[in-house]
Amino acid sequence: QVQLQQSGPGLVKPSQTLSVTCAISGDSVSSTSAAWNWIRQSPSRGLEWLGRTYYRSKWHNDYAESVKSRITINPDTSKNQFSLHLNSVTPEDTAVYFCARDRAGWDYFDPWGQGTLVTVSS
Amino acid sequence: EIVLTQSPGTLSLSPGERATLSCRASERLSSRYLAWYKQRPGQAPRLLIYGASNRATGVPDRFSGSGSGTDFTLTIGRLEPEDFAVYYCQQYHSSPQTFGQGTKVEVK
Repeated sequence: QVQLQQSGPGLVKPSQTLSVTCAISGDSVSSTSAAWNWIRQSPSRGLEWLGRTYYRSKWHNDYAESVKSRITINPDTSKNQFSLHLNSVTPEDTAVYFCARDRAGWDYFDPWGQGTLVTVSS
Repeated sequence: EIVLTQSPGTLSLSPGERATLSCRASERLSSRYLAWYKQRPGQAPRLLIYGASNRATGVPDRFSGSGSGTDFTLTIGRLEPEDFAVYYCQQYHSSPQTFGQGTKVEVK
């Protein structure tokens, strides 16, 4: 059974970098049949896919256009986890951030992490 | 990007009643690439249906999905207390993957 456990600070100052980590159990971040995603949820924007990382002979990343200039998703094979970094944050980035797996060829999300509320405020 | 519009915004029903939720896409989708999720307060979304009509592991058979093209439906046969929640559709026909705005199923 795959489980995703998130960790990260709940408060980030404007203009700083938001970072959240997702630890994987029951699967591998290097799996060639999965991809590892970040999705956020806010009252104003609803559920918004942010990006993903996946391994297919080499590492790949896909990012949403809305955050492409500010986002990095990094795998950590030594700890079997992946992380989200979103820089130059503003209060509009306040949201619950979720990590989630998708299976190759089927881009639905299952399972999800428990969610991390990140508030951007001074 | 593909826009998904869910209706109604809120569905007020009693336990034991049947719920019918709609998801309309701005472009034609392959049925393979439409999913439904359930979210209860304070929890992450949980996959219910993928490929428009395939129940995920452990999902009760009172949940069923149907549809094709631009119109998709999630039906809950007889509402149980734990079914009162918000339901989202999601498309993965094209990037970026997008979600509908949700339908809240509440107790009447």
